[in-house]
Amino acid sequence: EPEVTQTPSHQVTQMGQEVILRCVPISNHLYFYWYRQILGQKVEFLVSFYNNEISEKSEIFDDQFSVERPDGSNFTLKIRSTKLEDSAMYFCASRAFGRAAGPTDTQYFGPGTRLTVL
Amino acid sequence: RKEVEQDPGPFNVPEGATVAFNCTYSNSASQSFFWYRQDCRKEPKLLMSVYSSGNEDGRFTAQLNRASQYISLLIRDSKLSDSATYLCVVTRGAGTASKLTFGTGTRLQVTL
Repeated sequence: EPEVTQTPSHQVTQMGQEVILRCVPISNHLYFYWYRQILGQKVEFLVSFYNNEISEKSEIFDDQFSVERPDGSNFTLKIRSTKLEDSAMYFCASRAFGRAAGPTDTQYFGPGTRLTVL
Repeated sequence: RKEVEQDPGPFNVPEGATVAFNCTYSNSASQSFFWYRQDCRKEPKLLMSVYSSGNEDGRFTAQLNRASQYISLLIRDSKLSDSATYLCVVTRGAGTASKLTFGTGTRLQVTL
């Protein structure tokens, strides 16, 4: 069964450093997303990406964050200058193209990258 | 008011029990509804979509009441492997890049 993959599984960084989290979405999917989950809290939307541009972003996704699809398979999230409060699990998700609700409306999540900012 | 509200639990039930989770959402423009399951420190995984007519998948039954903006999940004959956090999820639009909005989740612990 196709799946979303993410690397690394765990990233430890010093405050102020840049990190890049990598995702390989399911191959025929066209919508891509990043979410984060701070330990003990709910999953929160960061950004959605379609047709090589951001479709929607949350208040969390400020100027320190950026996303890129550098080639046909990878989808990356960059945090320019990490803060302590960026420590969280970051999930990538992807979705097939479709206008009807149902299976094509489903977002499939990768296993996540645990980011620890010291 | 939170966009998606759930009782955080935990619900502790014996194996074989029937358990029901409820969820309310505040945005009447929401169009698609889901239950996801999340095991500890793992990614959310789709359990089932929720339709107005109600739908069933084995031991799991989901219901949607658009008028009350209420979603439910019923688990019959609970198994130990059902222990997890159940996430109520809504999204605004089918066929768009619309984000998923998650509830905080309801934790279920099934015991022997």
